[in-house]
Amino acid sequence: AQRVTQPEKLLSVFKGAPVELKCNYSYSGSPELFWYVQYSRQRLQLLLRHISRESIKGFTADLNKGETSFHLKKPFAQEEDSAMYYCALVPFSGSARQLTFGSGTQLTVLP
Amino acid sequence: EPEVTQTPSHQVTQMGQEVILRCVPISNHLYFYWYRQILGQKVEFLVSFYNNEISEKSEIFDDQFSVERPDGSNFTLKIRSTKLEDSAMYFCASSRPGQGKNSPLHFGNGTRLTVT
Repeated sequence: AQRVTQPEKLLSVFKGAPVELKCNYSYSGSPELFWYVQYSRQRLQLLLRHISRESIKGFTADLNKGETSFHLKKPFAQEEDSAMYYCALVPFSGSARQLTFGSGTQLTVLP
Repeated sequence: EPEVTQTPSHQVTQMGQEVILRCVPISNHLYFYWYRQILGQKVEFLVSFYNNEISEKSEIFDDQFSVERPDGSNFTLKIRSTKLEDSAMYFCASSRPGQGKNSPLHFGNGTRLTVT
């Protein structure tokens, strides 16, 4: 069974500082990894997925299969980045589209 | 941009009562899901639904739960006899084919269910 671990429940950084939200996963097969974000009082929304290799709102995430990690990074945090961030995994070859979520990291960017 | 909509935003019910949570997925989506999040805990998968039947369900999704797509637009989650531990935020999500096997999920705003 797959599992996603986000070791930090809370993370605070100052505006302009780099930020890294950690995500580790365990899955025996080939996974697809996502980051979802939930701003205050808003819905969960997709931030980025590893197969797209995009940078969204300045965030990037690289899948490291050796370390089974998919850390989310941004070089210069902004106050509007304050939100709850969830790392999620789905088996790449699975027929079910069941996302397994990590427990989330609440990011607060301080002025 | 089209959105998944959920009603009501907050539902309070007494233990033992039946509740129906409603969702309108994005219109060209074909895969539908329910997730829940108990306060302070992670978002958990309940059930996925495709082609008018359940594709997969978790251990949480026991006989108390059922899903239905009664018409072309609504997707409902019914809890037959609510328990205190059913209190949670329930999220509906949908996705469409054509973006690869694991097309991203679009979530609704959630329904907060409080069982007293």
